[in-house]
Amino acid sequence: AQKITQTQPGMFVQEKEAVTLDCTYDTSDQSYGLFWYKQPSSGEMIFLIYQGSYDEQNATEGRYSLNFQKARKSANLVISASQLGDSAMYFCAMRTANTGNQFYFGTGTSLTVIP
Amino acid sequence: GAVVSQHPSRVICKSGTSVKIECRSLDFQATTMFWYRQFPKQSLMLMATSNEGSKATYEQGVEKDKFLINHASLTLSTLTVTSAHPEDSSFYICSAIQGGDYNSPLHFGNGTRLTVT
Repeated sequence: AQKITQTQPGMFVQEKEAVTLDCTYDTSDQSYGLFWYKQPSSGEMIFLIYQGSYDEQNATEGRYSLNFQKARKSANLVISASQLGDSAMYFCAMRTANTGNQFYFGTGTSLTVIP
Repeated sequence: GAVVSQHPSRVICKSGTSVKIECRSLDFQATTMFWYRQFPKQSLMLMATSNEGSKATYEQGVEKDKFLINHASLTLSTLTVTSAHPEDSSFYICSAIQGGDYNSPLHFGNGTRLTVT
């Protein structure tokens, strides 16, 4: 069975500091993709970053990077130089080659950036 | 690229009426669209998978007669909440996939906040 686990319901970070949001996953498929989304209080889901199971390097997109540890089945999101606008819910998601179009979402982490 | 438009963004309706929510992929063709429901401070709950030209696949526990989904074209899917009741009040959000590979992300609309009075 496929599963995404986010164990941090809420996180706080000081402005300009870095923060790591945890995500672990479970799948027996060898081919899969891991995604992070940001959901501000307005509700829209914003795609942040993607990591493929065969990617040897950690993905980076601006201030976002993904700490991918395949053996541990973890795909943590690192946000550097936090800004007040980073305050939002963050969801980790997975899609595998053998489960068609199905996406699996974690329960989310609420991040609050403190000025 | 990969923009999904959803409207209305907010709707208030009276109990017993029906509400239609539209989801459009603006710059790509989406053979598959998804409809999610989200309760406050919770994750997304998949309601149904909508495939162009065929009947939607509903998740267990979702009433297909209450939540009618139509995917009439490669760029448009609609969700109609029929005979709405206050318990149907929620945040509904659609999404679409641009590509068929597992490395293609979901692209979401901005969501619709439904309030049934």
